[in-house]
Amino acid sequence: EPEVTQTPSHQVTQMGQEVILRCVPISNHLYFYWYRQILGQKVEFLVSFYNNEISEKSEIFDDQFSVERPDGSNFTLKIRSTKLEDSAMYFCASSPRTGYEKLFFGSGTQLSVL
Amino acid sequence: ELKVEQNPLFLSMQEGKNYTIYCNYSTTSDRLYWYRQDPGKSLESLFVLLSNGAVKQEGRLMASLDTKARLSTLHITAAVHDLSATYFCAVDIYGTDKLIFGTGTRLQVFP
Repeated sequence: EPEVTQTPSHQVTQMGQEVILRCVPISNHLYFYWYRQILGQKVEFLVSFYNNEISEKSEIFDDQFSVERPDGSNFTLKIRSTKLEDSAMYFCASSPRTGYEKLFFGSGTQLSVL
Repeated sequence: ELKVEQNPLFLSMQEGKNYTIYCNYSTTSDRLYWYRQDPGKSLESLFVLLSNGAVKQEGRLMASLDTKARLSTLHITAAVHDLSATYFCAVDIYGTDKLIFGTGTRLQVFP
């Protein structure tokens, strides 16, 4: 079964550094998402992306965050200057279309900001 | 602001017993989802419920949706240890493209 793949599985960085989290969505999917989950807490929506632009974003997704689909297969989340509170598991998800379809989640990237 | 609340937050149950997890949400939504998450793992889609009165079953799990009451239930029948995980419900905001997740219910099934 096709799956969403994320790299790296773990990322450790120093506060203030830039990080890029990578995702390869399922190949025929058109809608892409990032969610995050702080340890022991619920999953939170960050951003959705369709047709090479952001369609929705949450309050969490401030100017320090950006997303990109650089080459038609990868989907990246960049955090320009990481903060301690950015430490979380980041999940990428994709869907063939919006509405009436489940999201397919990747295995996640555990980001630790020291 | 859409709120999604689950109860209980933690559930410890014996194998063979039945139990129900509840998911309440605060505003109109198109769809309700149930996900399972094993420790340190990703989210596995269990059910998508699309309309009032929808009921779906897979193995020992059955999910239902009452849009008038803004309530979904996940019923566990004759629990087995393999069902131990955290279960999340999630609701999408009508007309948008994002899911709001509930607080999660951590289920432990013991012999």
